[in-house]
Amino acid sequence: EVLLTQSPGTLSLSPGERATLTCRAGQRVWSDYLAWYQQKVGQAPRLLLHGASRRAAGIPDRFEGSGSGTNFTLTITRLEPDDFGVYFCQQYGRPPCSFGQGTKLEIK
Amino acid sequence: QVTLVQSEAEVKKPGSSVRISCKASGITFSNTDAINWVRQAPGQGLEWMGAITPIFGPATYAHSFRDRVTIKVDDATTTAFMELTGLRSDDTAIYYCARSLGGRGQYYYMDVWGKGTTVTVSS
Repeated sequence: EVLLTQSPGTLSLSPGERATLTCRAGQRVWSDYLAWYQQKVGQAPRLLLHGASRRAAGIPDRFEGSGSGTNFTLTITRLEPDDFGVYFCQQYGRPPCSFGQGTKLEIK
Repeated sequence: QVTLVQSEAEVKKPGSSVRISCKASGITFSNTDAINWVRQAPGQGLEWMGAITPIFGPATYAHSFRDRVTIKVDDATTTAFMELTGLRSDDTAIYYCARSLGGRGQYYYMDVWGKGTTVTVSS
């Protein structure tokens, strides 16, 4: 199983600031098959990005994904109050798929 | 529009089994749609348990669940089921079903999720 390590564990920022979340894989992620999800308290995860940088339907362009191989980044260019929650990365290039442990993005 | 509606919360005794359903609307099981099962223990991250792409036959399971989990679908009702046996207190979690594209043993990103089913294992 491909181990994914997310950093930081917690990120404290204010609305309007830029957030940078990272996801590092223990092995190369085949075809850059990496997705990002947002989860709010009491809700199911919501797909944000797939294929490292492709936004899912309805996701605003302030969410940007980048990276390849073993290092991936989710950038939220200008935080809005609705963006706070926990973010997970998932690799699906090498079965079984696996998730990172999550980054909590909290309001400063 | 694809929606996944899961069954209600369950409280189970240690050693017993739980069966959760996931009714899919807006998809059919005659293409490469797959249903995944992901669980989340309280305050923890996401753990993939297994998945099935009905047109390609039997489900694929995560190694850690292989001996205890069964995933099936009922094509007629487009409903997926996940059964977990030998329940322990550390199986207490929210169990999600989620749609992805799928192949033979390969499953992709999950774009539609059910709301989750809470399973509590307690004596």
